[in-house]
Order: sequence, then C-alpha cells, then structure tokens
Amino acid sequence: EIVMTQSPATLSVSPGERATLSCRASQSVSSNLAWYQQKPGQAPRLLIYGASTRATGIPARFSGSGSGTEFTLTISSLQSEDFAVYYCQQSNNWTFGQGTKVEIK
Amino acid sequence: QVQLQESGPGLVKPSETLSLTCAVSGYSISSGYYWGWIRQPPGKGLEWIGSIYHGGSTYYNPSLKSRVTISIDTSKNQFSLKLSSVTAADTAVYYCGRSYSGSYPGMFGYWGQGTLITVSS
Repeated sequence: EIVMTQSPATLSVSPGERATLSCRASQSVSSNLAWYQQKPGQAPRLLIYGASTRATGIPARFSGSGSGTEFTLTISSLQSEDFAVYYCQQSNNWTFGQGTKVEIK
Repeated sequence: QVQLQESGPGLVKPSETLSLTCAVSGYSISSGYYWGWIRQPPGKGLEWIGSIYHGGSTYYNPSLKSRVTISIDTSKNQFSLKLSSVTAADTAVYYCGRSYSGSYPGMFGYWGQGTLITVSS
C-alpha cells in the first residue's frame, strides 16, 4: 500500500501570506496526485488533480507541483475562506495523507 | 448540477451489516463516471472505501474489500454501500460521491453532505 505523509500537521499563516504544504508518497505515484480542501462540517472539495491542474472553479491562488514522491500545494495569498484542512490523495489506490490544518496566525 | 444525498440508519450494532444508499439528482448514473464512497472517523482523516463504474465494474479498498459491496440501481438513479461485520472502528461520517472525471475512480468532484454512522450496541 502506498502511504502518503503530509507536513506540517498544522501551519499557522497570516492572511495575505503564502502557504506551502507538502505531501510525500512512500513510492512513486508519477503525477497521479490530488489535493482537497475540507472545512468543518463540510464535505471535502477537490482543488487540484494530476498534481498541478486546478479543478473547475478553483481560484488561481491555488497551485500544485511535483511528481514522483514529492508534491507541494501552494496558496499564494491566503484569504479568510482558505483556513481549512488540506488532504493529498494518490490516484493509484486512492489513499489519503493525514491532512494539514491551515490556521490563522 | 449533480446532487447526491446519503441515507441510512444512523446506528448499527456490532457484527451487523451497515447499509447506505446515495440518491443522485441532476445527472443520470447510467450516463457515465464512477460513483463511490469515502468515510471519515470523527476527528480523523479520509479513507476511500470503493467505487463503481456506471457499467457495473467495482473497485474496492484492499483493506476493506472482504467486507464491502457497492451496487448500482440505474432505474432509481442511486447506488448503495454494504459493509458487513462492523465494529466500533467503522464509526464514521460516510460520504457518497461522483468522480471528477471518467478516468479516476476514487477522485471525487461531487460529494454528498455526509451521514454519521455510529456502531454501538
């Protein structure tokens, strides 16, 4: 089973600042990686797939990069609505990382 | 706009079978895409359970495969999850969803609101 590890567990960022989230796979998943955002009490929302392609309707401040085993989600300028938990998911057998909580600093 | 709505018992006894249904509106299941289930234990992360293609092919999480059945009912435009021999570890919010594209069975672009299933005697 491919294990996905996200870091950090919690990221404290001020509004307007950049946030950089990491996701590492235990073995190569090529570019088969997605990112989701989840707010309390809500279902997750797909942000990025194919490691770097934004899903429909996702703002340009969200960007993804990486391939193989190392991936990054960058939020260029955090808005108030971006404070949430973010999960990566690999699309070989669909396992998720444990999540990174982005909180207000 | 695709909309999904889970329905189920809320409380299931240990060793019994959990049964959930996802009603789909705004899109015909038989037209395409994958349809499936993801769960989230309280305060924890996400776990993909499995998916079914509109034609009936199924894909299951290997760790749950022996206990999971996902089926599709195109006449009612809904699909279902059965999870047998449940324990307290199966307590979670269960989400149904539709794949974002026709290429990724476990990557969901549309989600139901989720339903909390508690396993307890």
